[in-house]
Amino acid sequence: ETGVTQTPRHLVMGMTNKKSLKCEQHLGHNAMYWYKQSAKKPLELMFVYSLEERVENNSVPSRFSPECPNSSHLFLHLHTLQPEDSALYLCASSLLAGGTQETQYFGPGTRLLVL
Amino acid sequence: AQSVAQPEDQVNVAEGNPLTVKCTYSVSGNPYLFWYVQYPNRGLQFLLKYITGDNLVKGSYGFEAEFNKSQTSFHLKKPSALVSDSALYFCAVRVQGGKLIFGQGTELSVKP
Repeated sequence: ETGVTQTPRHLVMGMTNKKSLKCEQHLGHNAMYWYKQSAKKPLELMFVYSLEERVENNSVPSRFSPECPNSSHLFLHLHTLQPEDSALYLCASSLLAGGTQETQYFGPGTRLLVL
Repeated sequence: AQSVAQPEDQVNVAEGNPLTVKCTYSVSGNPYLFWYVQYPNRGLQFLLKYITGDNLVKGSYGFEAEFNKSQTSFHLKKPSALVSDSALYFCAVRVQGGKLIFGQGTELSVKP
């Protein structure tokens, strides 16, 4: 798990707060991903970045705003969230974004609770 | 539509017994299949993948998976389960463009 790290591990925020989730990968990868994991549901891909450019945005509400300043770091900025946004947010990375044989490596996740 | 199904929400196995966690898929073209495991309060850990070649793939922690093209299945197996194998297991398929589609997960419980 040390290959992909995420901070904070747990976050409680009110609906009017602004917070950011951070992901860092130490694997020399060029692609990074944000997923949302809710109970009893498959993982939902939110965003994909390849070489710091966003290549996929899966109809995610604008209250989630990703940022990828370089290929090792990925942020998810949160503002005016709703209680249904409470979930485990997972970051992942892979060597390339488009390769079908690529393995994605995941971080430990940030457990988010929106009150 | 491209999809992955894990028909069992939960699998219960006694320690020392063989275990199977089922996965079926529906994709166009060649399937690239993955298994991940998630321990409590942890992220997903890669177990194994099938790309091409031998239908029996060996992975981490003694797990293996068998690719069956005619049945469109990729079941995860282990000959002798350990209590420490208790976790949530996800099957996934990589489709064109590199997107991973996950199944809903199967909770494996291994009792002593």
